[in-house]
Amino acid sequence: GENVEQHPSTLSVQEGDSAVIKCTYSDSASNYFPWYKQELGKGPQLIIDIRSNVGEKKDQRIAVTLNKTAKHFSLHITETQPEDSAVYFCAAIFSGSARQLTFGSGTQLTVLP
Amino acid sequence: DSGVTQTPKHLITATGQRVTLRCSPRSGDLSVYWYQQSLDQGLQFLIQYYNGEERAKGNILERFSAQQFPDLHSELNLSSLELGDSALYFCASSKGTGRTGNTIYFGEGSWLTVV
Repeated sequence: GENVEQHPSTLSVQEGDSAVIKCTYSDSASNYFPWYKQELGKGPQLIIDIRSNVGEKKDQRIAVTLNKTAKHFSLHITETQPEDSAVYFCAAIFSGSARQLTFGSGTQLTVLP
Repeated sequence: DSGVTQTPKHLITATGQRVTLRCSPRSGDLSVYWYQQSLDQGLQFLIQYYNGEERAKGNILERFSAQQFPDLHSELNLSSLELGDSALYFCASSKGTGRTGNTIYFGEGSWLTVV
């Protein structure tokens, strides 16, 4: 079925270190992969997205890589700061009848000062 | 601020009751989506409307219904509430239908507690 698996479920890093979150998806026809950040008490906020025609996209300290052959994509945060602490969700659009975003289960990132 | 407005922010109600959650999409957005977020189920897609018409349906219970009005605001109606319906309900919006990856913006959510 349509599925996005996200790992790890929790991640703690020291301030200044890098954090990597990985997601795998089941539908090889998926072509849009956004990442959302959800802070406590707030709605998910889009932080970066990538489409299937590129392999990597960067925006300052955040980057996303996509490996379509292996059907996985990753979020990389460099020089982490305490304000990066939040729950991060990956998502993908599947080619099923609904073609809606299917979300991963989320990663609780904690940046330790 | 995403521009998506949801009311109420918090709601406590008893089992068996009915509630209505309201959403105003971002200016210019024609699609409205409803998602349910619970601790054990993550973010689950419920339903989407595009320019007043139902566009896609996800894991929405028969006790739940939604509609999008001519001014594009949307309401999610939850009836015969059960304890398990306690969750955070998000509305989101996008310019297009979302099928090709239009950016989807989320509101701050309506926290429903059923007691």
